[in-house]
Amino acid sequence: ILNVEQSPQSLHVQEGDSTNFTCSFPSSNFYALHWYRWETAKSPEALFVMTLNGDEKKKGRISATLNTKEGYSYLYIKGSQPEDSATYLCAFSRGGSEKLVFGKGMKLTVNP
Amino acid sequence: ETGVTQSPTHLIKTRGQQVTLRCSSQSGHNTVSWYQQALGQGPQFIFQYYREEENGRGNFPPRFSGLQFPNYSSELNVNALELDDSALYLCASSRGPLGRDGYTFGSGTRLTVV
Repeated sequence: ILNVEQSPQSLHVQEGDSTNFTCSFPSSNFYALHWYRWETAKSPEALFVMTLNGDEKKKGRISATLNTKEGYSYLYIKGSQPEDSATYLCAFSRGGSEKLVFGKGMKLTVNP
Repeated sequence: ETGVTQSPTHLIKTRGQQVTLRCSSQSGHNTVSWYQQALGQGPQFIFQYYREEENGRGNFPPRFSGLQFPNYSSELNVNALELDDSALYLCASSRGPLGRDGYTFGSGTRLTVV
């Protein structure tokens, strides 16, 4: 059974706070780790696709790191803004597999 | 690039009925994957179509079936609807079945079975 765990499940922060979330996944036969940002009533928006151990990717104030040997990825948001409020999903895929296995998501609320 | 569109956005069906959900993939993407998201859960993989053939299936019964057409459109069909089929259904297109460049998702169809 493949399990992807995300923590925390929800987070309320004040504008300007920095946040980080964790995604844990099985480390064997790793292929890729995806991060998505999902606002209510919209499509999940791709943030990062990470494939190499030690990868670090950045998009504006959002960055992510990947450790495939121990099976975790961190997502950081620096100086959170109200528009960062969304659910952040991570999804993992194994080598040769066409399916993404998703975590339950982490709901972030940034209060002005 | 026009993204992925899904129709309808919402649907109410009665138990035992059949339903067809539609997806229009991003231009140039030859692969479409379908996911079911039940309340409080992450999206679960239903199946994938690559070049109009089923290319992998999750733990869903045969009453879930699909089609992919050459014009970047695709369908998810569910027969003999059950109450537990109530969920958000997402389609995602990609350039290739392994999605190494990422998947582009639609905003989903919310199906309610009563």
